[in-house]
Amino acid sequence: KAGVTQTPRYLIKTRGQQVTLSCSPISGHRSVSWYQQTPGQGLQFLFEYFSETQRNKGNFPGRFSGRQFSNSRSEMNVSTLELGDSALYLCASSIGTSGVSEQFFGPGTRLTVL
Amino acid sequence: AQSVTQPDIHITVSEGASLELRCNYSYGATPYLFWYVQSPGQGLQLLLKYFSGDTLVQGIKGFEAEFKRSQSSFNLRKPSVHWSDAAEYFCAVGAEASYQKVTFGTGTKLQVIP
Repeated sequence: KAGVTQTPRYLIKTRGQQVTLSCSPISGHRSVSWYQQTPGQGLQFLFEYFSETQRNKGNFPGRFSGRQFSNSRSEMNVSTLELGDSALYLCASSIGTSGVSEQFFGPGTRLTVL
Repeated sequence: AQSVTQPDIHITVSEGASLELRCNYSYGATPYLFWYVQSPGQGLQLLLKYFSGDTLVQGIKGFEAEFKRSQSSFNLRKPSVHWSDAAEYFCAVGAEASYQKVTFGTGTKLQVIP
């Protein structure tokens, strides 16, 4: 079974630009969660999607948004990039049908904002 | 809301020595507990999880963890560390009502010396 894939793996953007990251979950998984990882803040939950609906959201500004498609693939978008958005963005997939299930993480997208 | 504390930011052990990484959680009901490992530049890999039942949980790579409700702890142990265990370890807690919104600790970086 293929694992979670994230594209692109690396991105360099400048302040004010916007960016879209993509995540393809494991086949059969309907839940996709996004996390931001930085040295200062650690791993912080962004949001979770299940069957195209956002089920949970972390404490991030509205510049961070996401969506999920009918094939469970998910995208997250960050608009008006700031220097502080430089981070490793991790996507995790899970079956998601019960309260909490094991999450499988992708390798992440490293975003650098200049 | 749930929270996780990993009191040790950095731990150094000799190869072959035993290891214990500490994790304390805060959550009112029965938590869902996880330990993940992250190698440099990689995503997170699940080592083990506790949902219910036996409080001593066996995981991959020879790791185990014990859930102690009275101490709100879920410490990770390994009897004999290998050089390849050098990585960062994250404890995480989830809650039934929060679906996949898992809260991570700040991580413990493990260094293994020959």
